[in-house]
Amino acid sequence: SQQGEEDPQALSIQEGENATMNCSYKTSINNLQWYRQNSGRGLVHLILIRSNEREKHSGRLRVTLDTSKKSSSLLITASRAADTASYFCATDEGSNYKLTFGKGTLLTVNP
Amino acid sequence: ETGVTQTPRHLVMGMTNKKSLKCEQHLGHNAMYWYKQSAKKPLELMFVYSLEERVENNSVPSRFSPECPNSSHLFLHLHTLQPEDSALYLCASSQGVGLAGSETQYFGPGTRLLVL
Repeated sequence: SQQGEEDPQALSIQEGENATMNCSYKTSINNLQWYRQNSGRGLVHLILIRSNEREKHSGRLRVTLDTSKKSSSLLITASRAADTASYFCATDEGSNYKLTFGKGTLLTVNP
Repeated sequence: ETGVTQTPRHLVMGMTNKKSLKCEQHLGHNAMYWYKQSAKKPLELMFVYSLEERVENNSVPSRFSPECPNSSHLFLHLHTLQPEDSALYLCASSQGVGLAGSETQYFGPGTRLLVL
């Protein structure tokens, strides 16, 4: 599988529900980032978590990192229709500039 | 608005054409990147420039030729492309390479390229 592989590939929920997306990776990392992409647009950085951190919050976003399992999760609470987008995790694989992205999770929030 | 602009937003070209994609960042960053995003595939890193010097060429065919005249501008020159090169081409920038706290990348809106 790819470095930084998201699961599930697609997720459909109702407004107000929570959405959880997972990311698995293979090699050692310094940090892991989550990005969001609206259809056909550029990626927008959401949050970065370093390898020595286990959990981080930003607004309605909560990210966890388990380096022993080489996995991360992104939780979006109280989702809104405007959260509909693709979400990607990106890892640095120990590089000081290269990011490796997964294929992403397509989140659809129904009003 | 991320502070990174790309032109054109859409481009249709024939296989014998020559065209260029332009990226400009207004963030004072020192590193710039080209990515290719094809349907159902992960983002592919193509090129990385740091302080106008290329630090990464990720086995990209020579029909793609990057140019970085200064730290604010990045070009991707295209010639004799193939239909499989049709994709969304994304430009990104970051504060620098190898600098703690500079890992976040800021992306432009992309150029949607169709090669006929």
